[in-house]
Amino acid sequence: DSGVTQTPKHLITATGQRVTLRCSPRSGDLSVYWYQQSLDQGLQFLIQYYNGEERAKGNILERFSAQQFPDLHSELNLSSLELGDSALYFCASNPRGDTGAEAFFGQGTRLTVV
Amino acid sequence: GENVEQHPSTLSVQEGDSAVIKCTYSDSASNYFPWYKQELGKRPQLIIDIRSNVGEKKDQRIAVTLNKTAKHFSLHITETQPEDSAVYFCAASTTNFGNEKLTFGTGTRLTIIP
Repeated sequence: DSGVTQTPKHLITATGQRVTLRCSPRSGDLSVYWYQQSLDQGLQFLIQYYNGEERAKGNILERFSAQQFPDLHSELNLSSLELGDSALYFCASNPRGDTGAEAFFGQGTRLTVV
Repeated sequence: GENVEQHPSTLSVQEGDSAVIKCTYSDSASNYFPWYKQELGKRPQLIIDIRSNVGEKKDQRIAVTLNKTAKHFSLHITETQPEDSAVYFCAASTTNFGNEKLTFGTGTRLTIIP
C-alpha cells in the first residue's frame, strides 16, 4: 500500500457525462500529480498541484480540470466525456513537489466511457 | 518542455539473462531520473533512481547508469527472473523556478521466458 488513495476504483459512464475522480495523498505530502494511462500506453502527465496551487500543466484537455483542497486531497473533473477518454487515471504524491522526491502512486481509477 | 524517449518498447529475455532498457531525455536541466515498474493491473512503483551528480547506482540485481553529456540513462537487470516480467517506465524530473515536472518515457514491456 503506497498510502495514496483513489476513489472510485472503477467508473462506467456514458458519453457526454461528467465525472469526478478523487485522490487523497500520503499523509504529509503536499504535491499531487495526475496521469492518464490509456490501454497499453505510457503515463501521460496531466497536471500537478502543490499545497493547493497549480504547479505544472501537461497535455490536459480543456474539458478536464482539477483542484487541490485545503486538506490536500485533489479532484480531477472530466466533462463532456468521449469514448477516447476511457483510461486508467493515476494520481501520485510526493512530499515537496521538488526534484528528487519519489512519487507514490495510487491504485488508479479505471474509467470506461460507453 | 522535456521529452523522454524509451527503447525498446518490448523486450523478451531468457530467464537468467540480462535485460537493458535505454532512455534519452532532451532537457539538460533534468536532474533526477527514476525508474518505475508496473505489473499488470497495478500501480507503478519506484524500483531505483539516480541523481545527476551520480554516474551509476546499483541495488542487488538492478543497476542504473547515467550519461549527462549524452543525455541518456539505462536500466540494467541481471539474472532475470519470471517476476521481473512487467512494464518498466523511465522518467526525468525537471525543476524550473521551483516547479517540478516528472516526464515519463513510453514504457518497455519486459517478458522473461522461463
